[in-house]
Amino acid sequence: AQTIHQWPVAEIKAVGSPLSLGCTIKGKSSPNLYWYWQATGGTLQQLFYSITVGQVESVVQLNLSASRPKDDQFILSTEKLLLSHSGFYLCAWSLDETEVFFGKGTRLTVV
Amino acid sequence: GDQVEQSPSALSLHEGTGSALRCNFTTTMRAVQWFQQNSRGSLINLFYLASGTKENGRLKSTFNSKESYSTLHIRDAQLEDSGTYFCAAGNYKYVFGAGTRLKVIA
Repeated sequence: AQTIHQWPVAEIKAVGSPLSLGCTIKGKSSPNLYWYWQATGGTLQQLFYSITVGQVESVVQLNLSASRPKDDQFILSTEKLLLSHSGFYLCAWSLDETEVFFGKGTRLTVV
Repeated sequence: GDQVEQSPSALSLHEGTGSALRCNFTTTMRAVQWFQQNSRGSLINLFYLASGTKENGRLKSTFNSKESYSTLHIRDAQLEDSGTYFCAAGNYKYVFGAGTRLKVIA
């Protein structure tokens, strides 16, 4: 069975500090991978997607970057956090352009 | 860009009653998904439709790609149905609706 694991579960970080969020998918080769962000009480906004290792497409510019160093790994990062980065970050996967499945998310609070 | 208009934004139902949620799309979408987001933030997959109607227990969803809309019907609502429901559609750029906050009241 496919599993998607996100880490950490929650983070409290200072403005200006770096951030790295991770996502691992097991049980499927060459999945499409996605990062989403959700403000408190808001909808989900797609940030990045990746179709293959080493390739990442940006959907929305939020002073964040993403990388796919391995087929089953997707990393979201920034060198300097802003207050506006607070929210809920969700990683997701799909096979080609079919049903999308989400991880349990990382809740980020920037103070 | 592609837009997804979801309604209503909020809904209160008494246990045992039902209602429908709707999403309208401004462009032709290949498929639609419906999710329930629980209080912990987890997104639960409810339906994935490329066309037609699917039913699962007390939930039923329809996708009309020609007329660019999808509906989610809830019948015999239970307390555990409370949460936020999202529709989403697109290809690699998956667009979500704004969500419907459902509260089921005893």
